[in-house]
Amino acid sequence: QVKLVESGGGVVQPGTSLRLSCAASGFSFSSYALHWVRQAPGKGLEWVADISYDARNEYYADSVRGRFTISRDDFKNTLYLQMSGLRVEDTAVYYCARDEGGGYGYSYPEYWGQGTLVTVSS
Amino acid sequence: AIRMTQSPSSLSASTGDRVNITCRASQDINHYLAWYQQKPGKAPKLLIYTVSTLVSGVPSRFSGSASGTDFTLTISCLQSEDLATYYCQQYYGYPITFGQGTRLDTK
Repeated sequence: QVKLVESGGGVVQPGTSLRLSCAASGFSFSSYALHWVRQAPGKGLEWVADISYDARNEYYADSVRGRFTISRDDFKNTLYLQMSGLRVEDTAVYYCARDEGGGYGYSYPEYWGQGTLVTVSS
Repeated sequence: AIRMTQSPSSLSASTGDRVNITCRASQDINHYLAWYQQKPGKAPKLLIYTVSTLVSGVPSRFSGSASGTDFTLTISCLQSEDLATYYCQQYYGYPITFGQGTRLDTK
């Protein structure tokens, strides 16, 4: 079955960097687009970024563009989110999710991991 | 960005009730609309995609419909395990956007 396990969360100070990982199993990793979606404490869901199956296309939310970078390693079946210039408002549970297809538009997160908490605080 | 406005933001209902949750898109999103269920402390779970297609294993008491830019999630006969927060999401254009959520609890 599809399994997604996020890691790398923690408590960091504003302005610093952090890299999240998402280890995937149970499906053909290189065939699917992948997403990061976050949820601030007590708040709703916010889509952060996605990457197409072939890594040729990346899309970002305006709130993170230029600070966050999504990437994938198909040999390690792992998705990454490199976060820099972290702000207090980036505090959230970060979920990785597998797309229903290869990406390139008109597709949606289908399977979700359990999330990893990032807390940005001085 | 396409704005998704859900209503109500919270809803109290009893077991056996018929429940409707509405989501309005700020522009035409064709049929690229999904619904997710999230229980406290858990990851979201996909229920419905392309407005009305039920994910395999999701009970048939869940259904989705559309009228123009208005979308509705219906639970025909509420069960206790359906108490959760529900989100709509459009995937017609980037950025992908979610509604603010509807919290469904017991009356």
